[in-house]
Amino acid sequence: GAVVSQHPSRVICKSGTSVKIECRSLDFQATTMFWYRQFPKQSLMLMATSNEGSKATYEQGVEKDKFLINHASLTLSTLTVTSAHPEDSSFYICSARQTSGRADTQYFGPGTRLTVL
Amino acid sequence: GEDVEQSLFLSVREGDSSVINCTYTDSSSTYLYWYKQEPGAGLQLLTYIFSNMDMKQDQRLTVLLNKKDKHLSLRIADTQTGDSAIYFCAEKKSVGDKIIFGKGTRLHILP
Repeated sequence: GAVVSQHPSRVICKSGTSVKIECRSLDFQATTMFWYRQFPKQSLMLMATSNEGSKATYEQGVEKDKFLINHASLTLSTLTVTSAHPEDSSFYICSARQTSGRADTQYFGPGTRLTVL
Repeated sequence: GEDVEQSLFLSVREGDSSVINCTYTDSSSTYLYWYKQEPGAGLQLLTYIFSNMDMKQDQRLTVLLNKKDKHLSLRIADTQTGDSAIYFCAEKKSVGDKIIFGKGTRLHILP
């Protein structure tokens, strides 16, 4: 299957600082990427849909000024958590959409564990 | 109710078959997926089925789709310790790009 990477895998930061997480599709181009948040022992919560060359579409209840998304190229999307607070601590996972022939699938990155002190 | 529902836990003896069930609500869903998540890792796409198919088999994995009942199942033959993980059922809505996930079924393998 297709490969999606995330960097960093883990980050610990102080409250009030900003953290950038990168998501890359390594062997295919992705016009659409997605950012999810996962709480312990819970399902994935879609935060936003990132479209290359245009503004991200945020889900209801997700603050766009706090979670900045940039999809600058067909292989890279970034999520910046601004002015992070302890309640932002979570597991953030990105995915990249691949459409090929009749197939329409999302491939996920390995996730980034964010801890805000 | 929830868009995608699945039971939270399943225990199976090593060597037996595991069957994980899922129900969804959008009768126009185009694709249905099974993802596997191991502790501390992202989601791995195991298999997917197009909505006009009834069954798909891939090595130890068999997916059955009952469109009338909006029921999807994943059968893992000869379950092994490495199959211990959380399995997420997901549907792609007929409109838009989103995939909706269930809460995941934690598969526990008994020795």
